[in-house]
Parts: sequence; structure tokens; C-alpha cells
Amino acid sequence: DAKTTQPNSMESNEEEPVHLPCNHSTISGTDYIHWYRQLPSQGPEYVIHGLTSNVNNRMASLAIAEDRKSSTLILHRATLRDAAVYYCILELPRGNTPLVFGKGTRLSVIA
Amino acid sequence: DAGVTQSPTHLIKTRGQQVTLRCSPKSGHDTVSWYQQALGQGPQFIFQYYEEEERQRGNFPDRFSGHQFPNYSSELNVNALLLGDSALYLCASSLTRVAGNTIYFGEGSWLTVV
Repeated sequence: DAKTTQPNSMESNEEEPVHLPCNHSTISGTDYIHWYRQLPSQGPEYVIHGLTSNVNNRMASLAIAEDRKSSTLILHRATLRDAAVYYCILELPRGNTPLVFGKGTRLSVIA
Repeated sequence: DAGVTQSPTHLIKTRGQQVTLRCSPKSGHDTVSWYQQALGQGPQFIFQYYEEEERQRGNFPDRFSGHQFPNYSSELNVNALLLGDSALYLCASSLTRVAGNTIYFGEGSWLTVV
């Protein structure tokens, strides 16, 4: 399985933008890049995913490097409710592929 | 639209006992996967069910078994419980899918083995 590397933890001030990095140097040309987050005492929650182009949704933006070896999840204005563990996951290009979670990045948001 | 629902939310079992956890997938979803999450770790894939059959399996012993019903709901059974089985058990649902679709997780069932 292709692996991802994320910082163990990051800290942000409330209402500031947050950039969460992910390295995936062994990504194949057809792997999707997914981001999930897990709030305390909850199941993982889908945030965003992309393949090659940058993606935006109501929760976040995903910036994918041109060589696809890294990506960045961008939270435009962090709130206290964004404090969670964020997982960057590569999905193999076939249906029903199980997600392979690493340890993720624990984001703390300071009021 | 109800999301993924799991029951029970918390339970305590004694070593050697058996446990059954239940999951109802998100409406319209036909594939159910189970994950185990130990404290401080990311979720680990146990197995996946589609069309009432186990389709894929992670690195878990045969003590872990499951079932999917015609209405797509699913059960996870763990026999001969060990202390190390204490974890959060997550159910995830999806459509029989091509790559890139969204997977939805339930809130999980917290299992403590004493």
C-alpha cells in the first residue's frame, strides 16, 4: 500500500488559516488522495478528496502538487470545532478499496 | 437521511467471551466495512461485505467474523475475546464503488475487555 507521511501534531490560532501537509512520494498515477478527520470520541468524517487538480468544498481546499508527491489540506478559518486528527489517505484505483489509515496529524486550535 | 448507525455504543466483556456488534449503513449504500481502532492509533481494516459475502479481509484472525443481511446491515462477531481486543470498532458504508467515492463512518462501538 502506498504510504503517506504527516506531522504528528500542529497548532493553529482560531480564525487563522491552517495548512496541513502530507507527503506521498510513492503515489501512483491513478491513486486518489483522500482526507478524513476524526473529532474526539467520533468516527472519521470525510473532508475532501482529489486526483490531480486542486479541489474546494464547503469544508476545506485540497492543493495537490504538480508531481502529486505531496498535498496540503487547507482550512481557511480554523474554529475550535476543527480540532481533530486529520488523516491523509491514498486510495488505490479500484472499487471498494479499504482505507489505510496512518496516525494522522492532531490539530489543536487555540482560542 | 440517517447516516451509519452502530450499536451498542459502549460495552464491557470478560476475556474469553463473545461479542456481536451491529451496523446499519447509510441509506442507499450496499457495502459495509469494519475497522478496529486502538487507543492512539488510526483505524485498521478488518473486513468488507458486499452482496452478503466477505469480499476483502485485513490482517485479523479468524476469531473475527461477520455477516451482511439482505437489507445491507451487518454484524461483526468476535469470539474468545482477548484483552487486546479492547478498542473502538467502526463501521463504514459505501456504494459498490469506483475509486474516489466517499466512505461514511458510524460513531463506533467502544469495546472494553476485562
